[in-house]
Amino acid sequence: DVQLVESEGGLVPPGGSLRLSCTASGFTLSIYAMYWVRQAPGKGLEWVSTLGGTDGTTYYADSVKGRFIISRDNAKNTLFLEMKSLRADDTAVYFCARHSGSGISRRLDAWGQGTLVTVSS
Amino acid sequence: DIQLTQSPSFLSASVGDRVTITCRASQDISTYLAWFQQNPGRAPKLLIYAASTLQGGVPSRFSGTGSGTEFTLTVTSLQPGDFATYYCQQFNSFPLTFGGGTKVEI
Repeated sequence: DVQLVESEGGLVPPGGSLRLSCTASGFTLSIYAMYWVRQAPGKGLEWVSTLGGTDGTTYYADSVKGRFIISRDNAKNTLFLEMKSLRADDTAVYFCARHSGSGISRRLDAWGQGTLVTVSS
Repeated sequence: DIQLTQSPSFLSASVGDRVTITCRASQDISTYLAWFQQNPGRAPKLLIYAASTLQGGVPSRFSGTGSGTEFTLTVTSLQPGDFATYYCQQFNSFPLTFGGGTKVEI
């Protein structure tokens, strides 16, 4: 079975840092593009970052560019999101998701359970 | 950035009803559109991709149509588990964007 399990989030003061992880099972993470998507409390879904599969190209939303870094450890089949200079508006549930398919069949077909990151003093 | 506008934002329905949700894109996205269902406290679940292709394991009462800038998600015969929030999402170009959501409630 395909499964994505995220690490626990937590409470972080403004300006602080946190690293999220997302461990995959049932598939080889390195051959898929992987995404982080977040959802602020009571709000909709917001794309955060993407890590390409074979080429490892990274993409970031403007709201996190320069503060967040997406990466992976192939040996551990794990995706990471390193978050720095956190702000109150980064408070959200963070989901990792797998990108499958190509062309018009591109889709986010597997999601982690989500982990809450709260930025507050 | 491509904006996706969903309507309605809220929809009141009953078990057995047929409901339709619309998603409008700010520019032509061909059929690079997916639909997700999200229940409270849960991750989004992929229902449809490529505008009209049903994801494996998703009941056939869910269907999607459209291309270009206008898309619809239809649920025939609503079931209790279908009372949730639905999001459209485009894969035409970065940044990947989502619609604002449609909450289907009793």
